[in-house]
Amino acid sequence: DTEVTQTPKHLVMGMTNKKSLKCEQHMGHRAMYWYKQKAKKPPELMFVYSYEKLSINESVPSRFSPECPNSSLLNLHLHALQPEDSALYLCASSQAHFNNEQFFGPGTRLTVL
Amino acid sequence: DAKTTQPTSMDCAEGRAANLPCNHSTISGNEYVYWYRQIHSQGPQYIIHGLKNNETNEMASLIITEDRKSSTLILPHATLRDTAVYYCIVRVYTGTASKLTFGTGTRLQVTL
Repeated sequence: DTEVTQTPKHLVMGMTNKKSLKCEQHMGHRAMYWYKQKAKKPPELMFVYSYEKLSINESVPSRFSPECPNSSLLNLHLHALQPEDSALYLCASSQAHFNNEQFFGPGTRLTVL
Repeated sequence: DAKTTQPTSMDCAEGRAANLPCNHSTISGNEYVYWYRQIHSQGPQYIIHGLKNNETNEMASLIITEDRKSSTLILPHATLRDTAVYYCIVRVYTGTASKLTFGTGTRLQVTL
C-alpha cells in the first residue's frame, strides 16, 4: 500500500465552525507533513511530525492545530478560520531517517465562508 | 533554505524530449535536488532526486552540473499525460524529517 488518504475531499465551513482534516498512511512512514496550497501557487509547508512529535511548525497561526495520535494518522484541527484560509490542504508522509521521497495525498479542498 | 529558479512555462511536442532547467546556485554540499510534478488539482507526485551524480529512473533523467548550481530534468518521450507543473526543490534534511520548499515551478504543456 503506497497511498496517502485524506478525508474529506471537500469541506465548506463558516468562520465560527470547528472542523478537522484527517490523513492516513499505512506505509510505515514515521514522518508526516501538512502543506497548504493556494490557487495557482506552490504548496507551502505548515507542519512536520517525526515519530509522532511535532518537529517543524512554520509559524502557522494557532487557529490551525495539528495532531498526530499514532504513526499512521495525522489530523489538522481548524477553528475560527478566515476566508483567506480557503485552500487545498495536502498531507504527505515519508521515511524519517532516510533520503526518501514524500508521498502526497490528494488533498482536502477547504472553503471558508 | 536554498532557492530554485525555473522558467514559468514551456511547451513540448508529444513524443519529443522535454528538458526542464532549474537553477539552484545557493545549494549546499549536502542538499539534494528533488523534482516533483503536480497535475491539476492533484497532490504532487515524486519524479526523481539526486545529489551530484546523474540519475535515471523509469519516469525521467536528472542531469546535475558539476558545480551543482543547476540541473535539468529530462522526460525522454513526453506524452499528453505529462502536462503538469514541474517543481524543482532543494531538500533540507533536519535530521529527523525532510523539508521541501517548493519554488514557483514550470508549467509544461505537451501538445500534439
